[in-house]
Amino acid sequence: NAGVTQTPKFRVLKTGQSMTLLCAQDMNHEYMYWYRQDPGMGLRLIHYSVGEGTTAKGEVPDGYNVSRLKKQNFLLGLESAAPSQTSVYFCASSSDLQETQYFGPGTRLLVL
Amino acid sequence: GENVEQHPSTLSVQEGDSAVIKCTYSDSASNYFPWYKQELGKGPQLIIDIRSNVGEKKDQRIAVTLNKTAKHFSLHITETQPEDSAVYFCAASESSGDKLTFGTGTRLAVRP
Repeated sequence: NAGVTQTPKFRVLKTGQSMTLLCAQDMNHEYMYWYRQDPGMGLRLIHYSVGEGTTAKGEVPDGYNVSRLKKQNFLLGLESAAPSQTSVYFCASSSDLQETQYFGPGTRLLVL
Repeated sequence: GENVEQHPSTLSVQEGDSAVIKCTYSDSASNYFPWYKQELGKGPQLIIDIRSNVGEKKDQRIAVTLNKTAKHFSLHITETQPEDSAVYFCAASESSGDKLTFGTGTRLAVRP
């Protein structure tokens, strides 16, 4: 099992460009999450999903959109990137809320 | 919503000594408290968790204690080793919710 995978690993964008980050899990988990990690801020939840076809806002959703068309995939979109979105993005999945969250290796995004 | 505070932000200990990281939470309904370890360049990984029906849980050199009255919980690492050097995150959630709230992290350095 690959667990949770994320693509790409690293990306540089110019302000105003768009991109999609892909998260895939092969554990048949219902719950999937997108976090951003910034120095001194810990892990902040952007959006999450409690099952295929569902999405919900987390703590810092502005400027991001998500989709969960397939149970195994959770996409994070940036429609118009801003320098404030420079961060490391982590995807995670779990079988239930109060069970282990399995994290991907992260995507480092730099917005110039 | 839930607020989780974590202290200290950095901790340096001599190999073989103990390390203690403390977290407080605000929502008295929270009943699940996991701890994650993040090594450099990787995603966080669960190391231990505790539910509110117990006050302490141990797994080899690591233990977690929970004080529901004071709304705080702590991670204890005994006989620290260089491979314990990492960033540690605490988190909290309540069973009727659908997401974890993470602390801001503690960077632990174990000096050989």
